[in-house]
Amino acid sequence: DAMVIQNPRYQVTQFGKPVTLSCSQTLNHNVMYWYQQKSSQAPKLLFHYYDKDFNNEADTPDNFQSRRPNTSFCFLDIRSPGLGDAAMYLCATSSQMATNEKLFFGSGTQLSVL
Amino acid sequence: SQELEQSPQSLIVQEGKNLTINCTSSKTLYGLYWYKQKYGEGLIFLMMLQKGGEEKSHEKITAKLDEKKQQSSLHITASQPSHAGIYLCGADKGGGADGLTFGKGTHLIIQP
Repeated sequence: DAMVIQNPRYQVTQFGKPVTLSCSQTLNHNVMYWYQQKSSQAPKLLFHYYDKDFNNEADTPDNFQSRRPNTSFCFLDIRSPGLGDAAMYLCATSSQMATNEKLFFGSGTQLSVL
Repeated sequence: SQELEQSPQSLIVQEGKNLTINCTSSKTLYGLYWYKQKYGEGLIFLMMLQKGGEEKSHEKITAKLDEKKQQSSLHITASQPSHAGIYLCGADKGGGADGLTFGKGTHLIIQP
């Protein structure tokens, strides 16, 4: 089945130690998104790629970066994780051809910062 | 920016009972999406509404978008344990590829 896959499901990192979360998709969608969701909060859009074009949300901290080396993969890099960055990180994809289901989500990566 | 407020924040319902979750937008909705999230997992798409007055159903879940397109409701009939989870509404941020803005979600617990 075509899907969005996030690895790992759980990630533990140390305060200030760079960490990378990965997302891959077999849907061949041209848009990929990264959302941050803290406990009992709404998912918050960090940035998205439209093909190779990177679109950063205005309030996304510089500590968060992203890379999309090809259509299938997208990475979220946190350069110096703080305790406040502990959250669920959700990757989603979308196609401009989609008429109903807007975003297809992966299972998420739960990040803990010690 | 658009804000989505969901009510109630949490809901405990006895199995077999009906329930309604509401989503109110600070601006006109041009696309309203309902997703379900199991604890610690990703979001699963339920339904999308676009037209004022539109109503869609899937199994025992019905979603409506009011005529003024600023409020949506999600109704579950004869609730089952499988309905437990977090229900989130999402709205188009600005069309195109801008993604969705989400509400904080409604936590639904089904008591046997």
